[in-house]
Amino acid sequence: DAMVIQNPRYQVTQFGKPVTLSCSQTLNHNVMYWYQQKSSQAPKLLFHYYDKDFNNEADTPDNFQSRRPNTSFCFLDIRSPGLGDAAMYLCATARQGVRNEQFFGPGTRLTVL
Amino acid sequence: DQQVKQNSPSLSVQEGRISILNCDYTNSMFDYFLWYKKYPAEGPTFLISISSIKDKNEDGRFTVFLNKSAKHLSLHIVPSQPGDSAVYFCAATVDGTASKLTFGTGTRLQVTL
Repeated sequence: DAMVIQNPRYQVTQFGKPVTLSCSQTLNHNVMYWYQQKSSQAPKLLFHYYDKDFNNEADTPDNFQSRRPNTSFCFLDIRSPGLGDAAMYLCATARQGVRNEQFFGPGTRLTVL
Repeated sequence: DQQVKQNSPSLSVQEGRISILNCDYTNSMFDYFLWYKKYPAEGPTFLISISSIKDKNEDGRFTVFLNKSAKHLSLHIVPSQPGDSAVYFCAATVDGTASKLTFGTGTRLQVTL
């Protein structure tokens, strides 16, 4: 089945220790998104890629970086996680040019100790 | 600034009855609206959408109504089933072509026997 996969599902890191979350997709969608969702809050878009074109949201902290080495994979790097970065991180994909929904992965829950 | 609002954090409905989930938005540029359903430990999955040129869209037990003048949309589930118990997110986008989604904070629906 075509899908969006996120690894790991649960990630524990220490304050200030860099962490990388990964997302892969078999849908061959050219748009990929990273969202941050904190408890009882709306998912908040951090950045997205149209193909290799990176689009950062204005209020995304510099602490958050992303890489997309190919169509299938996208990574979220948190350079120095703080306690406030503990959240669920959701990856999503979509096909540009089609009025269509985004397809979400199951998310990675990040805990910062 | 919450541009998409779901003012009811939770809703409890008896099986077989109608569930009505509400969503309000403030950005008049939004022209495409979506509802997502989220089960625990899973990513959001697309449920139904509506374009701003319509005021109703129906898919089986699910109907979405849009009132542009009131900047309000609602999701009706008839009849409600226990498997509908989940968190429902309303989302909106400006151009609708696999673009950025602005989410509400979600409404947790509990369908009781």
